[in-house]
Amino acid sequence: GQNIDQPTEMTATEGAIVQINCTYQTSGFNGLFWYQQHAGEAPTFLSYNVLDGLEEKGRFSSFLSRSKGYSYLLLKELQMKDSASYLCAATRAGSYQLTFGKGTKLSVIP
Amino acid sequence: DGGITQSPKYLFRKEGQNVTLSCEQNLNHDAMYWYRQDPGQGLRLIYYSQIVNDFQKGDIAEGYSVSREKKESFPLTVTSAQKNPTAFYLCASIGGHIQYFGAGTRLSVL
Repeated sequence: GQNIDQPTEMTATEGAIVQINCTYQTSGFNGLFWYQQHAGEAPTFLSYNVLDGLEEKGRFSSFLSRSKGYSYLLLKELQMKDSASYLCAATRAGSYQLTFGKGTKLSVIP
Repeated sequence: DGGITQSPKYLFRKEGQNVTLSCEQNLNHDAMYWYRQDPGQGLRLIYYSQIVNDFQKGDIAEGYSVSREKKESFPLTVTSAQKNPTAFYLCASIGGHIQYFGAGTRLSVL
Protein backbone atom coordinates (compact mmCIF):
# COMPACT_ATOMS: atom_id res chain seq x y z
CA GLY A 1 0.00 0.00 0.00
CA GLN A 2 0.92 3.64 -0.08
CA ASN A 3 0.54 6.43 2.43
CA ILE A 4 1.91 9.94 2.06
CA ASP A 5 1.66 12.58 4.78
CA GLN A 6 2.41 16.27 4.69
CA PRO A 7 1.17 19.19 6.79
CA THR A 8 -2.10 20.74 5.65
CA GLU A 9 -1.11 24.39 6.00
CA MET A 10 1.94 26.52 6.78
CA THR A 11 2.55 30.24 7.07
CA ALA A 12 5.88 31.99 6.62
CA THR A 13 7.18 35.51 6.27
CA GLU A 14 8.44 37.09 3.07
CA GLY A 15 12.23 36.75 2.85
CA ALA A 16 12.37 33.86 5.30
CA ILE A 17 13.10 30.15 4.82
CA VAL A 18 10.45 27.44 5.10
CA GLN A 19 10.74 23.66 5.13
CA ILE A 20 7.80 21.52 4.04
CA ASN A 21 8.05 17.91 5.19
CA CYS A 22 6.70 14.78 3.59
CA THR A 23 6.73 11.25 4.96
CA TYR A 24 5.84 8.25 2.87
CA GLN A 25 5.19 4.55 3.23
CA THR A 26 5.36 3.16 -0.26
CA SER A 27 6.04 -0.46 -1.10
CA GLY A 28 8.62 -0.72 -3.87
CA PHE A 29 9.44 2.99 -3.53
CA ASN A 30 11.42 4.47 -6.41
CA GLY A 31 11.43 8.26 -6.22
CA LEU A 32 9.83 11.37 -4.76
CA PHE A 33 8.42 14.34 -6.67
CA TRP A 34 7.52 17.85 -5.53
CA TYR A 35 5.05 19.97 -7.46
CA GLN A 36 3.85 23.54 -6.94
CA GLN A 37 0.20 24.35 -7.56
CA HIS A 38 -1.27 27.84 -7.48
CA ALA A 39 -4.99 28.00 -6.75
CA GLY A 40 -7.08 26.90 -9.72
CA GLU A 41 -4.04 26.11 -11.85
CA ALA A 42 -2.12 23.04 -12.97
CA PRO A 43 0.64 21.57 -10.81
CA THR A 44 4.11 22.44 -12.08
CA PHE A 45 7.16 20.24 -11.57
CA LEU A 46 9.73 21.39 -9.00
CA SER A 47 12.00 18.44 -8.24
CA TYR A 48 12.56 14.71 -8.40
CA ASN A 49 14.73 12.80 -5.91
CA VAL A 50 15.76 9.20 -6.36
CA LEU A 51 18.97 9.11 -4.36
CA ASP A 52 19.49 10.16 -0.74
CA GLY A 53 20.64 13.70 -0.20
CA LEU A 54 19.94 17.29 -1.04
CA GLU A 55 19.36 18.65 -4.52
CA GLU A 56 19.48 22.41 -4.95
CA LYS A 57 17.77 24.33 -7.71
CA GLY A 58 17.92 28.07 -7.19
CA ARG A 59 15.80 29.13 -4.21
CA PHE A 60 14.28 25.65 -3.95
CA SER A 61 16.00 22.53 -2.60
CA SER A 62 14.66 19.04 -2.03
CA PHE A 63 15.98 16.36 0.30
CA LEU A 64 15.35 12.63 0.43
CA SER A 65 16.14 9.96 3.01
CA ARG A 66 15.08 6.56 1.67
CA SER A 67 15.85 4.76 4.94
CA LYS A 68 13.59 7.11 6.90
CA GLY A 69 10.83 7.44 4.29
CA TYR A 70 11.21 11.18 4.51
CA SER A 71 11.59 14.14 2.20
CA TYR A 72 11.45 17.89 2.52
CA LEU A 73 11.20 20.87 0.24
CA LEU A 74 13.18 23.92 1.33
CA LEU A 75 12.21 27.33 0.03
CA LYS A 76 14.64 30.20 0.63
CA GLU A 77 14.18 33.96 0.33
CA LEU A 78 10.43 33.55 0.25
CA GLN A 79 8.47 35.74 -2.12
CA MET A 80 4.75 36.50 -2.11
CA LYS A 81 4.41 34.54 -5.36
CA ASP A 82 5.51 31.39 -3.50
CA SER A 83 2.08 31.29 -1.85
CA ALA A 84 0.71 28.06 -3.29
CA SER A 85 0.07 24.42 -2.48
CA TYR A 86 3.06 22.10 -2.56
CA LEU A 87 2.35 18.50 -3.50
CA CYS A 88 4.54 15.57 -2.54
CA ALA A 89 4.20 12.45 -4.73
CA ALA A 90 5.88 9.04 -4.75
CA THR A 91 6.53 6.56 -7.52
CA ARG A 92 7.14 2.85 -7.36
CA ALA A 93 9.76 0.87 -9.21
CA GLY A 94 8.65 -0.16 -12.67
CA SER A 95 5.80 2.35 -12.79
CA TYR A 96 5.38 5.98 -13.78
CA GLN A 97 2.26 6.33 -11.67
CA LEU A 98 2.32 8.97 -8.98
CA THR A 99 0.64 8.72 -5.59
CA PHE A 100 0.06 12.18 -4.20
CA GLY A 101 -0.14 13.51 -0.68
CA LYS A 102 -2.95 15.94 0.09
CA GLY A 103 -0.73 18.95 -0.39
CA THR A 104 0.58 21.68 1.90
CA LYS A 105 -0.94 25.12 1.46
CA LEU A 106 1.79 27.71 2.05
CA SER A 107 0.84 31.30 2.78
CA VAL A 108 3.61 33.90 2.57
CA ILE A 109 2.86 37.04 4.57
CA PRO A 110 4.59 40.43 4.42
CA ASP B 1 4.47 25.70 -28.32
CA GLY B 2 4.36 22.15 -27.00
CA GLY B 3 1.99 21.36 -24.23
CA ILE B 4 -1.16 19.78 -22.89
CA THR B 5 -4.47 21.44 -23.69
CA GLN B 6 -7.60 20.75 -21.69
CA SER B 7 -10.99 22.02 -22.67
CA PRO B 8 -13.30 23.42 -21.65
CA LYS B 9 -11.95 25.32 -18.65
CA TYR B 10 -15.37 25.25 -16.97
CA LEU B 11 -18.14 22.71 -17.56
CA PHE B 12 -21.59 22.25 -16.13
CA ARG B 13 -23.45 18.96 -16.03
CA LYS B 14 -27.15 18.42 -15.66
CA GLU B 15 -28.60 15.45 -13.79
CA GLY B 16 -28.44 12.26 -15.84
CA GLN B 17 -26.14 13.77 -18.43
CA ASN B 18 -22.82 12.44 -19.70
CA VAL B 19 -20.13 15.03 -20.34
CA THR B 20 -16.75 14.68 -22.04
CA LEU B 21 -13.58 16.50 -21.05
CA SER B 22 -10.97 16.94 -23.75
CA CYS B 23 -7.22 16.46 -23.33
CA GLU B 24 -4.81 16.93 -26.22
CA GLN B 25 -1.00 16.90 -26.15
CA ASN B 26 1.55 17.68 -28.83
CA LEU B 27 4.56 16.51 -26.82
CA ASN B 28 4.69 13.09 -28.50
CA HIS B 29 4.29 11.44 -25.10
CA ASP B 30 3.10 7.86 -24.93
CA ALA B 31 1.56 7.79 -21.46
CA MET B 32 -1.37 9.96 -20.41
CA TYR B 33 -3.29 10.24 -17.14
CA TRP B 34 -6.52 11.63 -15.72
CA TYR B 35 -6.74 12.84 -12.12
CA ARG B 36 -9.50 14.24 -9.99
CA GLN B 37 -8.78 16.88 -7.32
CA ASP B 38 -11.23 17.73 -4.55
CA PRO B 39 -10.70 20.46 -1.92
CA GLY B 40 -8.39 19.24 0.81
CA GLN B 41 -7.61 16.08 -1.11
CA GLY B 42 -4.61 15.05 -3.11
CA LEU B 43 -4.83 14.17 -6.78
CA ARG B 44 -6.52 10.81 -7.28
CA LEU B 45 -5.94 8.73 -10.39
CA ILE B 46 -9.02 7.96 -12.51
CA TYR B 47 -7.59 6.29 -15.63
CA TYR B 48 -4.29 6.07 -17.43
CA SER B 49 -3.07 4.96 -20.83
CA GLN B 50 0.45 3.89 -21.67
CA ILE B 51 -0.08 3.39 -25.42
CA VAL B 52 -2.72 3.95 -28.07
CA ASN B 53 -5.78 1.68 -27.82
CA ASP B 54 -4.89 0.62 -24.30
CA PHE B 55 -5.94 2.08 -20.94
CA GLN B 56 -6.17 0.98 -17.33
CA LYS B 57 -8.40 1.88 -14.39
CA GLY B 58 -6.91 3.94 -11.63
CA ASP B 59 -8.06 4.19 -8.02
CA ILE B 60 -11.43 5.86 -8.66
CA ALA B 61 -12.57 4.74 -12.13
CA GLU B 62 -16.22 4.07 -11.29
CA GLY B 63 -18.56 6.40 -13.18
CA TYR B 64 -15.90 7.41 -15.71
CA SER B 65 -14.84 6.14 -19.12
CA VAL B 66 -11.96 6.96 -21.48
CA SER B 67 -10.70 6.21 -24.98
CA ARG B 68 -7.27 6.42 -26.57
CA GLU B 69 -7.72 6.24 -30.32
CA LYS B 70 -4.87 8.64 -31.07
CA LYS B 71 -1.58 9.26 -29.31
CA GLU B 72 -2.37 12.95 -28.95
CA SER B 73 -5.81 12.60 -27.42
CA PHE B 74 -7.18 11.08 -24.20
CA PRO B 75 -10.77 12.25 -23.57
CA LEU B 76 -12.54 11.52 -20.29
CA THR B 77 -16.30 10.99 -20.11
CA VAL B 78 -18.03 11.61 -16.80
CA THR B 79 -21.13 9.44 -16.94
CA SER B 80 -24.43 9.80 -15.13
CA ALA B 81 -23.28 6.93 -12.90
CA GLN B 82 -20.78 9.28 -11.25
CA LYS B 83 -22.93 10.68 -8.46
CA ASN B 84 -20.51 13.28 -7.17
CA PRO B 85 -18.77 14.69 -10.25
CA THR B 86 -18.06 18.20 -8.97
CA ALA B 87 -14.27 18.51 -8.92
CA PHE B 88 -11.21 19.86 -10.70
CA TYR B 89 -10.04 17.42 -13.39
CA LEU B 90 -6.41 17.33 -14.48
CA CYS B 91 -4.88 15.57 -17.45
CA ALA B 92 -1.18 14.75 -17.56
CA SER B 93 1.35 13.11 -19.81
CA ILE B 94 4.82 11.74 -19.09
CA GLY B 95 8.08 12.81 -20.66
CA GLY B 96 11.38 11.57 -19.28
CA HIS B 97 9.65 10.22 -16.10
CA ILE B 98 8.19 13.65 -15.25
CA GLN B 99 4.41 14.18 -15.39
CA TYR B 100 3.34 17.42 -17.03
CA PHE B 101 -0.15 18.72 -16.43
CA GLY B 102 -2.78 20.56 -18.42
CA ALA B 103 -4.53 23.63 -16.98
CA GLY B 104 -7.51 21.60 -15.80
CA THR B 105 -11.28 21.55 -16.23
CA ARG B 106 -13.56 22.54 -13.39
CA LEU B 107 -16.78 20.51 -13.52
CA SER B 108 -19.88 21.52 -11.62
CA VAL B 109 -23.36 20.05 -11.39
CA LEU B 110 -26.39 22.22 -12.19
